[in-house]
Amino acid sequence: DIQMTQSPSTLSASVGDRVTITCRASQNIDTWLAWYQQKPGKAPNLLIYKASSLYSGVPSRFSGSGSETEFTLTISSLQPDDFATYYCQQYSTYPWTFGQGTKVEIK
Amino acid sequence: QVQLVQSGAEVKKPGASVKVSCKASGSTFTNYYIQWVRQAPGQGLEWMGIINPSGGSSTYAQKFQGRVTMTRDTSTTTFYMELRGLRSEDSAVYYCARWVCGGDCYSDSWGQGTQVTVSS
Repeated sequence: DIQMTQSPSTLSASVGDRVTITCRASQNIDTWLAWYQQKPGKAPNLLIYKASSLYSGVPSRFSGSGSETEFTLTISSLQPDDFATYYCQQYSTYPWTFGQGTKVEIK
Repeated sequence: QVQLVQSGAEVKKPGASVKVSCKASGSTFTNYYIQWVRQAPGQGLEWMGIINPSGGSSTYAQKFQGRVTMTRDTSTTTFYMELRGLRSEDSAVYYCARWVCGGDCYSDSWGQGTQVTVSS
């Protein structure tokens, strides 16, 4: 199985900060990667697909980049609504797998 | 926009089975796959498998092989995930999510989640 490793596990930041989350794949997944945001008690919401494509309706402060084994999710200016947990998911090879999550907390 | 509505919470004893439903509306049933994902309390997301409604073929994570079956009922536009031989570690929220491919592929709609509690 392809292992997805996110870092950091927890991130403390302030409103207005630029935030970067990293996701590393244990093997080449090309750009078959999605990013989701999840808030407590809610289902995940799609932010980014195919590593860098912004899903419709997602604010432009979110961006994704990377290919093969290294990927990043960047929030250019953190907003109060962005405090949540973020997950990457690879869909290159079955079984699809998720990173362990990155919790973005208020500093 | 497709909507996925899941069945209600379940409490099961160890060794029992649970069948979670996911009713789809608002889009052509056979135009997308459904993936099933679970989340244990305080834990991350875990991929269980995916079903192609056009034909009903499924792919499961090795971890669940032999214990899980994903099916669909085209007449009611409902997907099902059955997990057998439940153990306490299966206590989790189970989600269905649409996987659509129209040039690009992604999961844009998720069910609200079904809490499954396994307890003696």
